[in-house]
Amino acid sequence: DIQMTQSPSSLSASVGDRVTITCRASQSISSYLNWYQQIPGKAPKVLIYAASSLQSGVPSRFSGSGSGTDFTLTISSLQPEDFATFYCQQSYFTPYTFGQGTKLEIK
Amino acid sequence: EVQLVESGGGLVQPGGSLRLSCAASGFTFSNYWMHWVRQAPGKGLVWVSRISNDGSSTNYADSVKGRFTISRDNAENTLYLQMNSLRAEDTAVYYCARVQRGGYFDCWGQGTLVTVSS
Repeated sequence: DIQMTQSPSSLSASVGDRVTITCRASQSISSYLNWYQQIPGKAPKVLIYAASSLQSGVPSRFSGSGSGTDFTLTISSLQPEDFATFYCQQSYFTPYTFGQGTKLEIK
Repeated sequence: EVQLVESGGGLVQPGGSLRLSCAASGFTFSNYWMHWVRQAPGKGLVWVSRISNDGSSTNYADSVKGRFTISRDNAENTLYLQMNSLRAEDTAVYYCARVQRGGYFDCWGQGTLVTVSS
């Protein structure tokens, strides 16, 4: 199975900050990398698919980059509604695997 | 509006069985592969199973292979997950999800909680 490792596991930041979360795959997954945001008690919501494509309706402050094994999710200017847990997911091979999550908290 | 609504969760004893359902609406269900993803309390997301749009192809995580069966009824726009020989470690919120080409989940249900405990 492909292992997905996110860093950091948790992060404290302030409204207006620029934040970057990284995700590393245990083998090359080309651009088959997706990012999700999950608010407690809610289902995940896709933000970025195919490493860098912004899902319809998602604010442009979210962006993704990378290919192969190393990927990043960047939030350019944190808003109050962005504080949540973020997951990366590879869709190159089944079993599709997720990173362990990055919990973004308010400083 | 695209919508997925899960049902069928609940409390079950170890070794028991449960069948989850996921009712789809607002899109042509028979055009999409569908997946189940679970999340144990306080933990991360774990992929469980997938089924092709016509039901002819299925895949499972090793942790559920031989115990869980995914199926669908395209006439009823419903996805199922039959769960047998349940274990305490199967306790989780179970989400059904629609997958787009490229393998990303663009629509999720609200989740249904399965608790395996004596």
